[in-house]
Amino acid sequence: KAGVTQTPRYLIKTRGQQVTLSCSPISGHRSVSWYQQTPGQGLQFLFEYFSETQRNKGNFPGRFSGRQFSNSRSEMNVSTLELGDSALYLCASSPSRASGVYNEQFFGPGTRLTVL
Amino acid sequence: AQSVSQHNHHVILSEAASLELGCNYSYGGTVNLFWYVQYPGQHLQLLLKYFSGDPLVKGIKGFEAEFIKSKFSFNLRKPSVQWSDTAEYFCAVNAGTNAGKSTFGDGTTLTVKP
Repeated sequence: KAGVTQTPRYLIKTRGQQVTLSCSPISGHRSVSWYQQTPGQGLQFLFEYFSETQRNKGNFPGRFSGRQFSNSRSEMNVSTLELGDSALYLCASSPSRASGVYNEQFFGPGTRLTVL
Repeated sequence: AQSVSQHNHHVILSEAASLELGCNYSYGGTVNLFWYVQYPGQHLQLLLKYFSGDPLVKGIKGFEAEFIKSKFSFNLRKPSVQWSDTAEYFCAVNAGTNAGKSTFGDGTTLTVKP
């Protein structure tokens, strides 16, 4: 099976702009999660989508949003970019099978966002 | 709220030395525990996982970890490290059957000198 893919891999934006990142999960995986990785804060959970619904949300401002499509692909959007949004954004997918069966997350290579 | 603490930020070892990276978590319920590795320029890869059963779990590349419930710990070990083990290691936890929201430790950078 192909792994989790993320596009684009690198992105440079300026403050105030908005950006959309895309994630294609492993085939058959219904859960997609997004994380922000920075040297100072480490890996921080943004949100999780399952069957096109946001199932979990982290402690990020409303400028960060996401969505999931019927084919499980997901996008995250950051509006009004700030310098502090510069980070590696990681997407992870999980089969998220029925309750009682435990699942692990598979990570993509990430999108490196630089805000100037 | 869950939290994960990794005791060492940077570890430097010589090849063939033994490795132990500490990880403690804070959560009152049932947890799933993971160790991930991030090699330079590569994405996060799962080293090993604990869901239930035998508290000593073996992963890839000779790594193992022991879950000690009474100490809320999940330490990573390897008897003999290699230069190729140079990487950043992350301990992570998620709760119950929902794998979608994991809490990560700050990571430990391991440098193995040849």
